[in-house]
Amino acid sequence: AQSVAQPEDQVNVAEGNPLTVKCTYSVSGNPYLFWYVQYPNRGLQFLLKYITGDNLVKGSYGFEAEFNKSQTSFHLKKPSALVSDSALYFCAVKGSARQLTFGSGTQLTVLP
Amino acid sequence: DSGVTQTPKHLITATGQRVTLRCSPRSGDLSVYWYQQSLDQGLQFLIQYYNGEERAKGNILERFSAQQFPDLHSELNLSSLELGDSALYFCASSVGWERATDTQYFGPGTRLTVL
Repeated sequence: AQSVAQPEDQVNVAEGNPLTVKCTYSVSGNPYLFWYVQYPNRGLQFLLKYITGDNLVKGSYGFEAEFNKSQTSFHLKKPSALVSDSALYFCAVKGSARQLTFGSGTQLTVLP
Repeated sequence: DSGVTQTPKHLITATGQRVTLRCSPRSGDLSVYWYQQSLDQGLQFLIQYYNGEERAKGNILERFSAQQFPDLHSELNLSSLELGDSALYFCASSVGWERATDTQYFGPGTRLTVL
């Protein structure tokens, strides 16, 4: 069975500081990893995905994620956080099963 | 805007009732997925259709059913509703279903409240 862990329910960061939202996964076969963001009362918006190749993936709104196979991690990062980045972030994985399995989500709050 | 549309935005109903949620996928997408998001269960995959055929089932209750029509829109039917069915229901779509690399794009969701 495939699974995703987001160990932090809440991450607080000051505006302008770098941010990291952590994600680890467990999957059979090659992992395909995704990050989504959910703003209040909105659907999930796709940010980025890792399929293969370069371990650093760049996505929307200045976000990037680093794939680490040995640590089975796919942490989301941004060099300089904005207040408007405050939202709920979900990591998701697909393996040999074709279904997306989501983590429990991390609430990011960027403080002005 | 992802291009996936869902109606209605909000639905309030009573226990024991039946409701239908509707989803239109992005233009060109053949796969439709349904998810339930609740505070205690998180985001749970319910069911997937591809070009009118059911392809995968997740944690979908027997009281729930879905279908995908020839024009590719999909409906999720929830019957004998219970208080615990109150949740956000999302539809997502993707181009295909076999490629793990396909990205799912989500609609804005339908918030169901069962009183």
